[in-house]
Amino acid sequence: ETGVTQTPRHLVMGMTNKKSLKCEQHLGHNAMYWYKQSAKKPLELMFVYNFKEQTENNSVPSRFSPECPNSSHLFLHLHTLQPEDSALYLCASSQMGLAGGDEQFFGPGTRLTVL
Amino acid sequence: AQSVAQPEDQVNVAEGNPLTVKCTYSVSGNPYLFWYVQYPNRGLQFLLKYITGDNLVKGSYGFEAEFNKSQTSFHLKKPSALVSDSALYFCAVRDPSYNTDKLIFGTGTRLQVFP
Repeated sequence: ETGVTQTPRHLVMGMTNKKSLKCEQHLGHNAMYWYKQSAKKPLELMFVYNFKEQTENNSVPSRFSPECPNSSHLFLHLHTLQPEDSALYLCASSQMGLAGGDEQFFGPGTRLTVL
Repeated sequence: AQSVAQPEDQVNVAEGNPLTVKCTYSVSGNPYLFWYVQYPNRGLQFLLKYITGDNLVKGSYGFEAEFNKSQTSFHLKKPSALVSDSALYFCAVRDPSYNTDKLIFGTGTRLQVFP
């Protein structure tokens, strides 16, 4: 499988549930990103990892917890979410961080609905 | 502060006609500029970028964009639109003078190409 994959593609969860989103990139990249895409809003960067180290946390609430065990995998652990957290969550990767002007490659996203 | 604006929520164009999707930016230094496209139920796909060099950048699917420093613009263009170009287009900017991996996205412009 090539590119950036995300599972699950759709997720419905209650506010008391705990779930995880998974992202895997098959491109040999060293940087990975989580974005939140909500209707009528710009794409919001949530977290950035470079060589497994977190380099950006864009003031994301603690109910979102990222994990990057290696350069190919990125997780987003979810707990006690709110209905306003319903959105499309996109994972992306790039060869390096953005310092060199690398473009990002995006996965198809996980459509999350919080009831 | 970095920012990017896409002044049009939607652009309508007839197939075969030229298209332009507008983008203006604000950064304190020299910008890195990107265009991405998003088809329904898909992640974002990279189209083209400007880092340095020639102001006219050619990208995927026949798209091009011109970097205009005096007007702080990076409009996306295509000489002859196709129905299959109908999608959501995002402009993004990064100011490399900031030590950050943050890429700022516009709110997106929906392009509708009519047969």
